[in-house]
Amino acid sequence: QQQVKQSPQSLIVQKGGISIINCAYENTAFDYFPWYQQFPGKGPALLIAIRPDVSEKKEGRFTISFNKSAKQFSLHIMDSQPGDSATYFCAARSNNAGNMLTFGGGTRLMVKP
Amino acid sequence: GAVVSQHPSWVICKSGTSVKIECRSLDFQATTMFWYRQFPKQSLMLMATSNEGSKATYEQGVEKDKFLINHASLTLSTLTVTSAHPEDSSFYICSADGLDGTTQYFGPGTRLTVL
Repeated sequence: QQQVKQSPQSLIVQKGGISIINCAYENTAFDYFPWYQQFPGKGPALLIAIRPDVSEKKEGRFTISFNKSAKQFSLHIMDSQPGDSATYFCAARSNNAGNMLTFGGGTRLMVKP
Repeated sequence: GAVVSQHPSWVICKSGTSVKIECRSLDFQATTMFWYRQFPKQSLMLMATSNEGSKATYEQGVEKDKFLINHASLTLSTLTVTSAHPEDSSFYICSADGLDGTTQYFGPGTRLTVL
């Protein structure tokens, strides 16, 4: 019930291409869905987040698409750059679980020059 | 804004010793802080949730007596790994709830190596 499933585990994209990472959840009590970017040896950094009352949110080259009925959400990175190479984690939060975040398994993105 | 720091960034210790890791919210007050553990190429595993002035809530399987958490103020939480052993070697990351009570801001992590 608390799981968030993330795919793919790894992704290779050419520079300038679109990177797409998908997540699915089961718990309908989740009400906040952030994406984090993590570089090796560093802590995760909040990238972009969405609430279920919105179907899409865009910030620069990063877009979250949210499908409430399918209980799925995805991160799209447009015009991917080598500097985007990192591990990306989706997460979900339920406010009746003490604001605890449930993380997906992570996606290692490599953008080739 | 919303910066979380951790100290030390890395530590090497001998088996059987205790290690304290500090987590500070630098420019905001955090009622709730979280401690995670991350193994190489894996996701973050929540260890415990700490609220200022009260006892931490540990996740199932996390030893309370081994991983002591103290949330002494609205800007400081500490994690003490007691009697550390090589299997405790890991990347420990803290986070703090932002002012909106929703966004979690993460620290840079602490790499613990137990010899």
